[in-house]
Amino acid sequence: DAKTTQPNSMESNEEEPVHLPCNHSTISGTDYIHWYRQLPSQGPEYVIHGLTSNVNNRMASLAIAEDRKSSTLILHRATLRDAAVYYCILRPGGGAQKLVFGQGTRLTINP
Amino acid sequence: NAGVTQTPKFQVLKTGQSMTLQCAQDMNHEYMSWYRQDPGMGLRLIHYSVGAGITDQGEVPNGYNVSRSTTEDFPLRLLSAAPSQTSVYFCASSHDSYQETQYFGPGTRLLVL
Repeated sequence: DAKTTQPNSMESNEEEPVHLPCNHSTISGTDYIHWYRQLPSQGPEYVIHGLTSNVNNRMASLAIAEDRKSSTLILHRATLRDAAVYYCILRPGGGAQKLVFGQGTRLTINP
Repeated sequence: NAGVTQTPKFQVLKTGQSMTLQCAQDMNHEYMSWYRQDPGMGLRLIHYSVGAGITDQGEVPNGYNVSRSTTEDFPLRLLSAAPSQTSVYFCASSHDSYQETQYFGPGTRLLVL
């Protein structure tokens, strides 16, 4: 399975944008890029996913590099509730939902 | 909808004991899976099911059994608990194998002494 690399931790301030990077240099052409987050003492929660084009939803935006070897999850205006571990995951297209979680990025939001 | 529910929330076992972790979903999802999460680590897939009567192994299946007799339920059985199985267990479901969104339960924290 293709692997992802994320920083162990990041810190930001409330109401500021947050850019969470993910490197996936061995991504294949059919791999989807998924982001999940895990709030303290909870199960993971789906955030967003994409294949080639940038994606937006009510929670976040996903910017995908043209060569697809990296992506960035963007939280436009962080709140304290966004403090969580964020996982960048590659899921093979056409394959079962066997998500492979790395260690993720622990995001701290300062008030 | 209750979503994905898991019971119990917390369990203590002695080495060698067996138990079943329960997982249920009321969203009529075909795909269900079990993950374990060790302290400071990401989740690892134990077993999954693409529909009633069909199960398959994930990344770390040893020491665990599953069955899927109904669409709603996907229990995880520990045959003979070991301290290495101390972990937090999460159940997840999605509409089918190819849906993009998986819904996770709140987890069961298991301590094996």
